[in-house]
Amino acid sequence: AAGVIQSPRHLIKEKRETATLKCYPIPRHDTVYWYQQGPGQDPQFLISFYEKMQSDKGSIPDRFSAQQFSDYHSELNMSSLELGDSALYFCASSEASGANVLTFGAGSRLTVL
Amino acid sequence: QKEVEQNSGPLSVPEGAIASLNCTYSDRGSQSFFWYRQYSGKSPELIMSIYSNGDKEDGRFTAQLNKASQYVSLLIRDSQPSDSATYLCAVNGGMTGTASKLTFGTGTRLQVTL
Repeated sequence: AAGVIQSPRHLIKEKRETATLKCYPIPRHDTVYWYQQGPGQDPQFLISFYEKMQSDKGSIPDRFSAQQFSDYHSELNMSSLELGDSALYFCASSEASGANVLTFGAGSRLTVL
Repeated sequence: QKEVEQNSGPLSVPEGAIASLNCTYSDRGSQSFFWYRQYSGKSPELIMSIYSNGDKEDGRFTAQLNKASQYVSLLIRDSQPSDSATYLCAVNGGMTGTASKLTFGTGTRLQVTL
């Protein structure tokens, strides 16, 4: 069965650089969520999109932005990177009309030097 | 106070024993409850979902929900070394059929010893 695809899996950036993470949800899933997980921390909700519109916003810094495109894939753009942005970034998708069970991608590990 | 509380552990149980993981939540309007398993450096993997009071069993796993006490638990029977992982309790405050986020607890690290 198709899963949530995230790219890149690993990314190394310098401080103040920009990074873009991509997420391809499970086919027919209409909702995408972004989570950030620091070392030893629980996943923190950043932002979500339902039918290409922002549906909820969590602890996402102003330096970050995201969108969902017409093919339902989503991109998380991070600018002016800081050391503290180093984390695992997970994308999850769900079908909102159902039980809304979230399925997670493998994650993108961002390291900021 | 965090919205979803778990004991961080580690919880150590011998192989073959029952592991009991607990979770409390603060939003009384929460509708859906999930247990995810996460191995170090990997993504959360859904183990169980539960939506109504009582017990739900799936193989070696049993989830228990008590909405009056705002309490969710996960029992793992016949624990195996491969069960050693962090177990995340997650709560969804929205109604089923709506797009709403999961709020995670900090996770309980389970160690199954030989």
